[in-house]
Amino acid sequence: DTEVTQTPKHLVMGMTNKKSLKCEQHMGHRAMYWYKQKAKKPPELMFVYSYEKLSINESVPSRFSPECPNSSLLNLHLHALQPEDSALYLCASSQPATGPNQPQHFGDGTRLSIL
Amino acid sequence: GESVGLHLPTLSVQEGDNSIINCAYSNSASDYFIWYKQESGKGPQFIIDIRSNMDKRQGQRVTVLLNKTVKHLSLQIAATQPGDSAVYFCAGGTSYGKLTFGQGTILTVHP
Repeated sequence: DTEVTQTPKHLVMGMTNKKSLKCEQHMGHRAMYWYKQKAKKPPELMFVYSYEKLSINESVPSRFSPECPNSSLLNLHLHALQPEDSALYLCASSQPATGPNQPQHFGDGTRLSIL
Repeated sequence: GESVGLHLPTLSVQEGDNSIINCAYSNSASDYFIWYKQESGKGPQFIIDIRSNMDKRQGQRVTVLLNKTVKHLSLQIAATQPGDSAVYFCAGGTSYGKLTFGQGTILTVHP
């Protein structure tokens, strides 16, 4: 079982809907990440939070809005998505890379389908 | 731009054989490398990592080799088992936490 929990596992939404993806970890990690993974492709970084502050935004469209309410939780708010946004959304956590790099641990993702 | 890529997209082996998965990277700023295993319907699972000041690291049944001169990374799996069948990704990291993944290799282990 993964130590990073993502909910829901599956989500189907229309282009006008607003929904949120949730991620939780209890490993004491202070860095959390959102990735997008299309079928048969590698994960692509979207956002990085370090000590609950957004540190990297990989030029993600504003219809994706991340939020880090506390050190254990990471949300991704979705609004007015496009069909091409259908993908597996992965959350990961690690110790912040302020010293020696630490591996990122991934959840099993939310499979998102936009109708 | 930075990229981390693989030589071969698929690898098919017999159970008990040793497997070698290769990866080439182009970003000299990467100072940390990780191998992940991703099974169908799951997220990437950490296998082993190596820092850029090392050239070899061993784990349980796995070895990672790093050749910075030619920017090449490999994952060796000893006595490959059917449960090792998955997609394997290499990833390069920098000191500010950004990971860039390679394209992935599909490993199929035949009983």
